[in-house]
Amino acid sequence: QVQLMQSGAEVKKPGASVKVSCKTSGYIFTAYAMYWVRQAPGQGLEWMGWINSGTGDTIYSEKFQGRVTITRDASATTSYMEVTSLKSEDTAVYYCGLASSPMRYWGQGTLVTVSS
Amino acid sequence: DIQMTQSPSSLSASVGDRVAITCQASQDITNDLNWYQQKPGKAPKLLIYDASNLDTGVPSRFSGSGSGTDFTFTISSLQPEDIATYYCQQYDNLPFTFGQGTRLDIK
Repeated sequence: QVQLMQSGAEVKKPGASVKVSCKTSGYIFTAYAMYWVRQAPGQGLEWMGWINSGTGDTIYSEKFQGRVTITRDASATTSYMEVTSLKSEDTAVYYCGLASSPMRYWGQGTLVTVSS
Repeated sequence: DIQMTQSPSSLSASVGDRVAITCQASQDITNDLNWYQQKPGKAPKLLIYDASNLDTGVPSRFSGSGSGTDFTFTISSLQPEDIATYYCQQYDNLPFTFGQGTRLDIK
């Protein structure tokens, strides 16, 4: 069965970077793109960007362009999402999701807390 | 980017009521629309895809309709376990934007 397992919670200081991983199993990794979504406390879902797991090509939402980098390691069937220059407003749960048809597979979420 | 306008932002209804949530896209997205249910502390759960297709294992009291720019999500008979926040999402064009969400409570 398809599984997406994310790395654990992180606490970072403002200005630092964080890299969240999404380890996958149960399907052919390069067959589907992976997307990332974040949810600030008490807020809605924000689509951040995605990566073509085969080619490594990425597309980012304009809001996150330049400060977010999504990568993948096909040999490890893992996708990564890095946010740099963290601010308190980046405190959120970050989710990975599989761009399968339909889009039913999500990771469990990773809480990133940015606090001095 | 395609804007998704979801309404209402919150809704209170009684058990057994019929509940409807609407989602309007800023441009034609044909039927490339998902509806998700999210409970506190959990990842979103897909209920409806392609605007009207029920995902596997989802109760039949949930349904979706619409195409183009206007979509509706309906719960035919509200159950206590349906308390959650519901989101629409378009996947016609990247970025795959979400509606603002509808928080559903029991009256």
